[in-house]
Amino acid sequence: DTAVSQTPKYLVTQMGNDKSIKCEQNLGHDTMYWYKQDSKKFLKIMFSYNNKELIINETVPNRFSPKSPDKAHLNLHINSLELGDSAVYFCASSAYRGRDEKLFFGSGTQLSVL
Amino acid sequence: GESVGLHLPTLSVQEGDNSIINCAYSNSASDYFIWYKQESGKGPQFIIDIRSNMDKRQGQRVTVLLNKTVKHLSLQIAATQPGDSAVYFCAANYGQNFVFGPGTRLSVLP
Repeated sequence: DTAVSQTPKYLVTQMGNDKSIKCEQNLGHDTMYWYKQDSKKFLKIMFSYNNKELIINETVPNRFSPKSPDKAHLNLHINSLELGDSAVYFCASSAYRGRDEKLFFGSGTQLSVL
Repeated sequence: GESVGLHLPTLSVQEGDNSIINCAYSNSASDYFIWYKQESGKGPQFIIDIRSNMDKRQGQRVTVLLNKTVKHLSLQIAATQPGDSAVYFCAANYGQNFVFGPGTRLSVLP
């Protein structure tokens, strides 16, 4: 069974559209994250939730809105998509608040905005 | 801001040779470090970790060395195999977050 699963794997859409990426973890972890990986493979934190509570919110446009219905799920909704949003988005989870515990990553969602 | 950097963006090694991937971090408060491997089309996968109270840790064919004095860590892969070809990231904890280095692409030559 996949520990951290995210859907869809690929997402191709037009500028200005609204889209969502879903993430679920079955590891029993209480902290979940969204990372963005650009074309140069650089990984940067976007958001972190602990038990449905937002604990990290990096400098991300407010067009990006995470939603955590329960601690096993963290979805990412993006409004008014722009060309610069094209990237691979990774969901991850960990047992603690990111300190002293490794992250488990999903397989990524490749977003292409045309 | 905090940063974690790698000395070499790409590394090519002959199959069977040892590989060494380096990483520098800037936050002296970081006390937990992880190496990840990312294969094409997949998410980063955990390889090995080390805490700041250690300077060396070994796994299966991999060794991580930590030098806190110069804020440097390295990943050594023994007898590199074609399956080791991937992008390798170091990560350092920073508050409630992990900061990732830019990645080193390891290519294993036949």
